[in-house]
Amino acid sequence: QQQVKQSPQSLIVQKGGISIINCAYENTAFDYFPWYQQFPGKGPALLIAIRPDVSEKKEGRFTISFNKSAKQFSLHIMDSQPGDSATYFCAAGEVCPDMRFGAGTRLTVKP
Amino acid sequence: EAQVTQNPRYLITVTGKKLTVTCSQNMNHEYMSWYRQDPGLGLRQIYYSMNVEVTDKGDVPEGYKVSRKEKRNFPLILESPSPNQTSLYFCASSSKQGIDEKLFFGSGTQLSVL
Repeated sequence: QQQVKQSPQSLIVQKGGISIINCAYENTAFDYFPWYQQFPGKGPALLIAIRPDVSEKKEGRFTISFNKSAKQFSLHIMDSQPGDSATYFCAAGEVCPDMRFGAGTRLTVKP
Repeated sequence: EAQVTQNPRYLITVTGKKLTVTCSQNMNHEYMSWYRQDPGLGLRQIYYSMNVEVTDKGDVPEGYKVSRKEKRNFPLILESPSPNQTSLYFCASSSKQGIDEKLFFGSGTQLSVL
């Protein structure tokens, strides 16, 4: 039973376009929502994270939007670049080591 | 360099032959955890540890054991591996810093059980 549901499974975007990945969670006790980026042959690395006291967080071209009432959050990648091609995982939890991850989205940005 | 080191990187074994995947971190982190990554299922937590001698089950602990005798090490033990444990395994560590908590992942161990 997946506690964090992520969609889409795969995404193809043209260079310069906007990539959007969505996640939904069930446990209302979750209060930390990070996104991780994984390149082939590497472990995931933290990209950006949000706590439920804000509805949006932006870091460069990456933005998290958070909707507490709907229990949903999403990652927006503006001006997507070929170097952004990777697998993205959303996660949710109360305490950092006890995090639940989504199934992942494989993003391909075409030049 | 701050890192989480897993060994081995690749491992092929046979059903029933006990194995250990080692994990070590050099960041003095309190928290450590193990995940397995499978296509379509993402990262699923196997076990986690909040401190030395403190371990808890994650979502898929069956068939695995862990120990945390030292702060820096968190080995994953498969007493009797089975083919359904063929997967990509990641160890991670973290320390609560400010308001952002961050998992540092190792490079992974690709395990094949024949």
